Amino acid sequence: QSALTQPASVSGSPGQSITISCTGTSSDVGGYNYVSWYQQHPGKAPKLMIYDVSNRPSGVSNRFSGSKSGNTASLTISGLQAEDEADYYCSSYTNSNTHVVFGGGTKLTVL
Amino acid sequence: QVQLQESGPGLVKPSQTLSLTCTVSGGSISSGSYYWSWIRQPAGKGLEWIGRIYTSGSTNYNPSLKSRVTISVDTSKNQFSLKLSSVTAADTAVYYCARDPGHILTGYPEYYFDYWGQGTLVTVSS
Repeated sequence: QSALTQPASVSGSPGQSITISCTGTSSDVGGYNYVSWYQQHPGKAPKLMIYDVSNRPSGVSNRFSGSKSGNTASLTISGLQAEDEADYYCSSYTNSNTHVVFGGGTKLTVL
Repeated sequence: QVQLQESGPGLVKPSQTLSLTCTVSGGSISSGSYYWSWIRQPAGKGLEWIGRIYTSGSTNYNPSLKSRVTISVDTSKNQFSLKLSSVTAADTAVYYCARDPGHILTGYPEYYFDYWGQGTLVTVSS
């Protein structure tokens, strides 16, 4: 069982917007701004999409945005494209000895 | 452009030690405030952070694996390594090496991973 809770799957049509949630506790997501999001296509390594809750690395489309409210972080993808179909994982710092925790992942299907 | 590449045996027998190496190219492993991590992913499952090493050589491990894990660095070869002892079938996974850029001023971790290796599948089986 993962430390952070994500929906198993979400779906949307091309051009639409979707949001993926990531729920933790005050010991991780809620207590610190160290939330990051990763995109993983089948057979590939994860790719950093968002860091520090809402920052985008250079080269990542501005269709991807991140936010946080309380113990829940969110990744929003606007203007869905077929290439966005992938698994998405959230991650956070935790003040436990584990240091870094991940969510269980969300499979995004573009209909 | 920084690149990471994992290498090591793809098959390990139960109770033996899994050994992997990550070779860093495109930059020095010991420059900056970088933290170098190992992360694994069983087939069809999520990601699990194993542990990390700082450029100074200090380490942090996931408590669930701490008794079996050793991460080390060889700056002369621009590599860092993972050893996981007493493996079982539950350790079968794709193993990734990854970089935390670290805060440029404080030197503390940033707790995100900006560069990843392609991953290597390690199967534990007799």
